[in-house]
Amino acid sequence: ELKVEQNPLFLSMQEGKNYTIYCNYSTTSDRLYWYRQDPGKSLESLFVLLSNGAVKQEGRLMASLDTKARLSTLHITAAVHDLSATYFCAVGTYKYIFGTGTRLKVLA
Amino acid sequence: EAGVTQFPSHSVIEKGQTVTLRCDPISGHDNLYWYRRVMGKEIKFLLHFVKESKQDESGMPNNRFLAERTGGTYSTLKVQPAELEDSGVYFCASSQTLTRGYTGELFFGEGSRLTVL
Repeated sequence: ELKVEQNPLFLSMQEGKNYTIYCNYSTTSDRLYWYRQDPGKSLESLFVLLSNGAVKQEGRLMASLDTKARLSTLHITAAVHDLSATYFCAVGTYKYIFGTGTRLKVLA
Repeated sequence: EAGVTQFPSHSVIEKGQTVTLRCDPISGHDNLYWYRRVMGKEIKFLLHFVKESKQDESGMPNNRFLAERTGGTYSTLKVQPAELEDSGVYFCASSQTLTRGYTGELFFGEGSRLTVL
């Protein structure tokens, strides 16, 4: 059974700092998705990674996928308060398994 | 284009009562999913429809949960009778069929928060 683990679960960081969120998964998959959720809101798609070595960037966020290591990273560059949210990775095809989520708080 | 809509946004019921949650997916999306998040834990898969057919219902907790998608449009998730452990946020998501050009990206509703007292 596919398992997806994220770490850290909680992350409190100062504005302007860099940090990386990790997403490990247990079985082979060529598809990995990152979502963002603000409190009380729906999950918003951030990145779709469809192959080994895929790298996507949007603003201060960059996501990458290493299918051989079964690892994806979400890197935050020069964090700003607006990035405060919960971030989820999800793996699979049709039956998507989500990670536990990383609650990010960026302090001004 | 309208997104995924869910109703109600919040429901408070007593143990033993029945609740029905509704999801309207994005028009044209054949795939519809139900997920549940309990008390800040992971988002757990419940089931997947392709049009009106249940493709995978392996995540449904027990037979108190019944999902339908008549006509392949909106879906309902009924919990009867509700138990305390059913409390959580129920998310619906939809996606286009996974073919060339379509990535399988999910579009989520804002969720229905269920509180069972």
